[in-house]
Amino acid sequence: AQTVTQSQPEMSVQEAETVTLSCTYDTSESDYYLFWYKQPPSRQMILVIRQEAYKQQNATENRFSVNFQKAAKSFSLKISDSQLGDAAMYFCAYLRGGSNYKLTFGKGTLLTVNP
Amino acid sequence: DTEVTQTPKHLVMGMTNKKSLKCEQHMGHRAMYWYKQKAKKPPELMFVYSYEKLSINESVPSRFSPECPNSSLLNLHLHALQPEDSALYLCASSQADRDGYGYTFGSGTRLTVV
Repeated sequence: AQTVTQSQPEMSVQEAETVTLSCTYDTSESDYYLFWYKQPPSRQMILVIRQEAYKQQNATENRFSVNFQKAAKSFSLKISDSQLGDAAMYFCAYLRGGSNYKLTFGKGTLLTVNP
Repeated sequence: DTEVTQTPKHLVMGMTNKKSLKCEQHMGHRAMYWYKQKAKKPPELMFVYSYEKLSINESVPSRFSPECPNSSLLNLHLHALQPEDSALYLCASSQADRDGYGYTFGSGTRLTVV
C-alpha cells in the first residue's frame, strides 16, 4: 500500500521569508501523481501544486515550487516570500495513475506565518 | 464555474434524525467523492462515484447512504448517526479519466451529532 509521510507536524516562518515543507512517499508504481493541498481555517482544501511522476522538471506555481526527487521518493514544497495568507494546514498527497480515485494524504503540516 | 458547492455549511442533528448533505458542481467532472475529516487529521475517503455509479465504498457504516442523482449532484443521506460521526464532511470532484489534474474540494459541512 502507498504511504505518504510528512515528518513536520508544525512549522513556522517569518513573513517574507522562505520555508520548506517535507514529504516522502512509498510506492512501487511508476505512474503516479503528487500534490500539495492547503487547508486554511476556512476549511476548503485548495490545490497548491501538482507533479507528474514521469516529468523530471520540478513544478512551479508563482511563489510555490517543489523539489521532486523521484529516486529518493521525496516531494518537498518551498514557499518563497511567505505571506500571512499562507498560514494553513498543508497536506501532501499521492494518487496512483489509471483512474484509481484513491488520493492518499499525509498527516499534514501546520504552517504558521509570523508578522 | 470552478467550484464545488456544499450545503448546509453547518448541521446539528440528533441521533434519531434523518438529514442529507448536498454537493453540486458544474465543471463537467464525472468523478465525485465524499470524505470525512476529523480535527487536525487528513481527510478519509468514504465513497467514490464515477459516471454516476458507485465505484468505491470504503466500508462505511450503512447509516451513511450516498446518492448520485445526476452528473452534477451528489448527496449523502444520514440516519441514526452516533456522536463519533461528528466531523467535517468534504465533497470533491475530478475529471474521471484524467488523473493528474487533482481534485476540487468544497468547503465542507461541519456536522455535529448530539
